[in-house]
Amino acid sequence: EAQVTQNPRYLITVTGKKLTVTCSQNMNHEYMSWYRQDPGLGLRQIYYSMNVEVTDKGDVPEGYKVSRKEKRNFPLILESPSPNQTSLYFCATGLNRQPQHFGDGTRLSIL
Amino acid sequence: AQTVTQSQPEMSVQEAETVTLSCTYDTSENNYYLFWYKQPPSRQMILVIRQEAYKQQNATENRFSVNFQKAAKSFSLKISDSQLGDTAMYFCAFTPLGNSGYALNFGKGTSLLVTP
Repeated sequence: EAQVTQNPRYLITVTGKKLTVTCSQNMNHEYMSWYRQDPGLGLRQIYYSMNVEVTDKGDVPEGYKVSRKEKRNFPLILESPSPNQTSLYFCATGLNRQPQHFGDGTRLSIL
Repeated sequence: AQTVTQSQPEMSVQEAETVTLSCTYDTSENNYYLFWYKQPPSRQMILVIRQEAYKQQNATENRFSVNFQKAAKSFSLKISDSQLGDTAMYFCAFTPLGNSGYALNFGKGTSLLVTP
């Protein structure tokens, strides 16, 4: 069964405390990406990765980092979270640069 | 920059009827992918249908079909025989295949309510 697993599903934290949201897929897809969803703004792409060690910025990369050391994992790192990063986050993967499978989402609240 | 516009923030349709959701996009690219995603109240994101710009034939997936008008930069989604389970937010999305990279751009969504 195709799976994209995000952890944690929910997190409440404080400004400045580094956090990592993990994303793992079991489909051996080369393409992975991160999005944030905010009311009235739809989804906006943060970063994407075309393959191991290949990452690129999306529309809203400021304040985020990613890494792609293995094909199956694509963690999203917030080095110094701020309240404006409170959002619902999705990881996705797929073939041919097409996001076909999404994780269940991570709701982050930064106080 | 690429933009995706969904001009209908909310729509409703009765069960078993047909509804069309609009999407327009702006790009200077010639090759790209277009997508429709569904987000039900559970918040999951589900790929409904996709279209490659170089294909003239409109994509179809069961009750879902698109009307792709490349010259008009229009990509509407038609849902036939609407079901209560189709109630969801629907997002149109676009990704170029040219030199501007592979970022995925979403519209702001259309909230569809299917009523009995």
